[in-house]
Amino acid sequence: DSGVTQTPKHLITATGQRVTLRCSPRSGDLSVYWYQQSLDQGLQFLIQYYNGEERAKGNILERFSAQQFPDLHSELNLSSLELGDSALYFCASSGNRGHTIYFGEGSWLTVV
Amino acid sequence: AQTVTQSQPEMSVQEAETVTLSCTYDTSESDYYLFWYKQPPSRQMILVIRQEAYKQQNATENRFSVNFQKAAKSFSLKISDSQLGDAAMYFCAYRSAITALIFGKGTTLSVSS
Repeated sequence: DSGVTQTPKHLITATGQRVTLRCSPRSGDLSVYWYQQSLDQGLQFLIQYYNGEERAKGNILERFSAQQFPDLHSELNLSSLELGDSALYFCASSGNRGHTIYFGEGSWLTVV
Repeated sequence: AQTVTQSQPEMSVQEAETVTLSCTYDTSESDYYLFWYKQPPSRQMILVIRQEAYKQQNATENRFSVNFQKAAKSFSLKISDSQLGDAAMYFCAYRSAITALIFGKGTTLSVSS
């Protein structure tokens, strides 16, 4: 158990819909990262937050957005969903001085 | 931009044998960290081992060890005494103070009895 909690574990939704994925980082970790893993694209970095502020942005689509709340949990919002958004979405966290990133179990999103 | 390359899409090994997974990376930074993550069929990402670039000594975690060649930008993972539970996808990853984790495409390791 990495200590990173993600909900929901599985989600099936229709094209055009909007979903929210939730993440609680390890206790004390200030940084939260979101990654997308699809069959053909491998593991893609989406976005990083540090103590509530956006720190780095990767290959995140404009239809996607994220935020980190004062209690440090984070949410990834995916809107106008397309079939190609079907993937495993990982949340990960790291500490203030640590360079190791620990992953949650992921949220499986299936868009039908 | 930093890149991570895993040139072996698939590898196989027999139980109790040793296998080495290859990884190369490209960066202009001098201070960075390298990782191997294991992803079993459950799809969970499990940290296997990490190496700080400033350390010359190769990292070791039980049956897992790395061969870190900084000048060659090579970071291979050696699994000794392979077990059936080692069967998984293995990802090499790079990060620095200014980058999040950058992953290679992965190597699928199968273990036969």
